[in-house]
Amino acid sequence: DVKVTQSSRYLVKRTGEKVFLECVQDMDHENMFWYRQDPGLGLRLIYFSYDVKMKEKGDIPEGYSVSREKKERFSLILESASTNQTSMYLCASSSAGEAGEKLFFGSGTQLSVL
Amino acid sequence: AQTVTQSQPEMSVQEAETVTLSCTYDTSENNYYLFWYKQPPSRQMILVIRQEAYKQQNATENRFSVNFQKAAKSFSLKISDSQLGDTAMYFCAFMKHGSGGGADGLTFGKGTHLIIQP
Repeated sequence: DVKVTQSSRYLVKRTGEKVFLECVQDMDHENMFWYRQDPGLGLRLIYFSYDVKMKEKGDIPEGYSVSREKKERFSLILESASTNQTSMYLCASSSAGEAGEKLFFGSGTQLSVL
Repeated sequence: AQTVTQSQPEMSVQEAETVTLSCTYDTSENNYYLFWYKQPPSRQMILVIRQEAYKQQNATENRFSVNFQKAAKSFSLKISDSQLGDTAMYFCAFMKHGSGGGADGLTFGKGTHLIIQP
């Protein structure tokens, strides 16, 4: 089975801190995604990467950056965390060239910024 | 851009009943995929069912089936013989064909919280 692992299940950070959320997949997938999930808003795409060192902005990239130095790892970075970034963050991966192939999700990181 | 609307924020039914979750979407694309994802309290997003827009036949997975009405842009999920383990958030999602997810990723609805009562 495909496994998408997010390094932390819960994180508590202070306003202004630099925060790293890590995601690793073990199926050699080309595509990786970071979503943010908020009650009543569903999931919203923050950033997407289709290859190493490649990235594209999603719907809500402001306040976030990403890094993909290795194919299996996709990091989400909050340069200076703010309280409005308190949320659930979900990482996902999928195989390129298989349109409609399902996305595989991690278990999420609940981030609280105080 | 496409939009996905789930008009039922929460639903509650008795165990063993049949329940239908509604989803409508808006797109100018002709070729696309539609999905229902389940998110139980464990938070793991699980693919329940997938429908390819060019297929007229409604997708079915065991107790889960969809009613796909392409002209009406409607994609409802029916759960038969509901079980306590079906309690979860259910998300309807849209993906353009050929995108592999792409920069659009999946466009999700806001979710329906389904509660199965014993």
